Amino acid sequence: IQMTQSPSLLSASVGDRVTLSCKAGQNINNYLAWYQQKLGEAPKLLIYNANSLQTGIPSRFSGSGSGTDFTLTISSLQPEDVATYFCQQYNSWTAFGGGTKLELK
Amino acid sequence: EVQLVESGGGLVQPGRSLKLSCAASGFTFSNYYMAWVRQAPKKGLEWVATISTSGSRTYYPDSVKGRFTISRDNAKSSLYLQMNSLKSEDTATYYCARNGYNRWYFDYWGQGVMVTVSS
Repeated sequence: IQMTQSPSLLSASVGDRVTLSCKAGQNINNYLAWYQQKLGEAPKLLIYNANSLQTGIPSRFSGSGSGTDFTLTISSLQPEDVATYFCQQYNSWTAFGGGTKLELK
Repeated sequence: EVQLVESGGGLVQPGRSLKLSCAASGFTFSNYYMAWVRQAPKKGLEWVATISTSGSRTYYPDSVKGRFTISRDNAKSSLYLQMNSLKSEDTATYYCARNGYNRWYFDYWGQGVMVTVSS
């Protein structure tokens, strides 16, 4: 299943509400996860099952969507949120999106 | 605290073999599916292999099927990836990852180990 993330690069200011998009090539029944990867680090799970917040992740992160269209929202961008974000479907085996790089404006 | 520590990476010539290991601690290893995920330099994430709790079932994408073998030793809380017939396109950082409960998302990741395939 093809996963498409947009935009590939996003610039935003501290305090902004940020929205990242992920589209699946077919219905994935909400079996979608979001990961954050900071430079030089391993990915970290943020959201699973489209909208469930992983333990220990700040509540400013939230996931939404269903079927083929999904969104990761950061309600108030913090400097430590600078990273690349990947979505992953696990409805049929698994596949990752190409990533969205989030930088500070 | 869940910890996953990979080892065994390095520089290898095309066509040769390499075996990666992942030592797990901080959880009941035998209760979880485990996986390997790789990331080529400055590229995205690619799933490489998954193994069931007992090791009886393994899963691979077409890009590595027939060349890579995932295995586990529950008594040693260890995960392995045997990589044969390596190609330059296998150059990547390889991450050991724990599957979420009953699902194929990955809730814990190791720090990664670099594999470079070059003559």
